[in-house]
Amino acid sequence: DTGVSQDPRHKITKRGQNVTFRCDPISEHNRLYWYRQTLGQGPEFLTYFQNEAQLEKSRLLSDRFSAERPKGSFSTLEIQRTEQGDSAMYLCASSLGAGADNTEAFFGQGTRLTVV
Amino acid sequence: RKEVEQDPGPFNVPEGATVAFNCTYSNSASQSFFWYRQDCRKEPKLLMSVYSSGNEDGRFTAQLNRASQYISLLIRDSKLSDSATYLCVVNVRYSTLTFGKGTMLLVSP
Repeated sequence: DTGVSQDPRHKITKRGQNVTFRCDPISEHNRLYWYRQTLGQGPEFLTYFQNEAQLEKSRLLSDRFSAERPKGSFSTLEIQRTEQGDSAMYLCASSLGAGADNTEAFFGQGTRLTVV
Repeated sequence: RKEVEQDPGPFNVPEGATVAFNCTYSNSASQSFFWYRQDCRKEPKLLMSVYSSGNEDGRFTAQLNRASQYISLLIRDSKLSDSATYLCVVNVRYSTLTFGKGTMLLVSP
């Protein structure tokens, strides 16, 4: 399978716990995105990497959220001290971009987080 | 003003109907435009890119009006399988992809 893969697909955690999600992008893609989506809403941008550099972070991303992309390959998104409002689908996408240009992004199947 | 705005719908149409969705964007530096389709509880998937000259892919036609900052998607001869949420996506230069909230389409027999 050469698409974007995310792990785990589902995560249930108690409030206050930390969680970490992983995303493996399409191998030749240099750009990687994290989005969050709740019911009835479009995906909301969280953060974006070009290779290993984190180029942009949304104001939505509180101090409890951190993302990394070591070596410009897979990425992890960690949420510390989870809150019920963090319950959502976390989507990862990748694309091939150069400078100002960007091709279409391909999404993984997402990680559904439920905080109880 | 939201960056990308869409009518959430739902649009209820019978099979065979023609339906059009509109989307407006606020950032004049936007340079790439896409329509994505999202089925219930699934990830978004690219339906088509939108080019300045307009483009067609089978029953689907996309149009872009840069002066009005407006994008449209026309679906002809609707099929039951077209039922989904259609997301308008805009890419600003040197930045990320911004999604609208989506327009829900329900095609009935």
